[in-house]
Amino acid sequence: GQNIDQPTEMTATEGAIVQINCTYQTSGFNGLFWYQQHAGEAPTFLSYNVLDGLEEKGRFSSFLSRSKGYSYLLLKELQMKDSASYLCAVRALSNNLFFGTGTRLTVIP
Amino acid sequence: DAMVIQNPRYQVTQFGKPVTLSCSQTLNHNVMYWYQQKSSQAPKLLFHYYDKDFNNEADTPDNFQSRRPNTSFCFLDIRSPGLGDAAMYLCATSWRDRGKSDTQYFGPGTRLTVL
Repeated sequence: GQNIDQPTEMTATEGAIVQINCTYQTSGFNGLFWYQQHAGEAPTFLSYNVLDGLEEKGRFSSFLSRSKGYSYLLLKELQMKDSASYLCAVRALSNNLFFGTGTRLTVIP
Repeated sequence: DAMVIQNPRYQVTQFGKPVTLSCSQTLNHNVMYWYQQKSSQAPKLLFHYYDKDFNNEADTPDNFQSRRPNTSFCFLDIRSPGLGDAAMYLCATSWRDRGKSDTQYFGPGTRLTVL
């Protein structure tokens, strides 16, 4: 089975840095994805990790530790438009994606 | 721009009245997925097509069917919608080669309301 946990909600200030954690327990692991989803819209791809370590892409970075079943998404220089839900998804050996329920981030001025 | 397109964006149907949701893609991906996402919940995979091979998830109700007439199009048919089927339906695509899948790209979704 698959179990993916994320905090339900977070609030951070414009210009700050925020870290969104994701822990997972899966019967097989074939990569971890982060998606951003604005209310009422489709998820959009942010990042992908399959090996341990940090992947940086502009203001967004994602970290993976396979031995700990742990990942985080780091958002720097927060902007108001970053207010959204952030979904952690684990790809199983079947190639199917299993999503967490998402972390709703609110950026305040 | 290459993309995943879903029509309609909003669909209203009546309890028990069959409804079809449409997805098309210009990415030329060989895998197409359908997800159901209810409010404040994670997207849940219903089924996917790998080329012409249909792969149903074990807990997908029989009420949900899918068709893929060609590479570009995939349809979700709900034979007898119930109130519990009201949700956002997301189509996604990816490229799979030799058993390994790339990133999934999502369409904008169709929000289904059942009256």
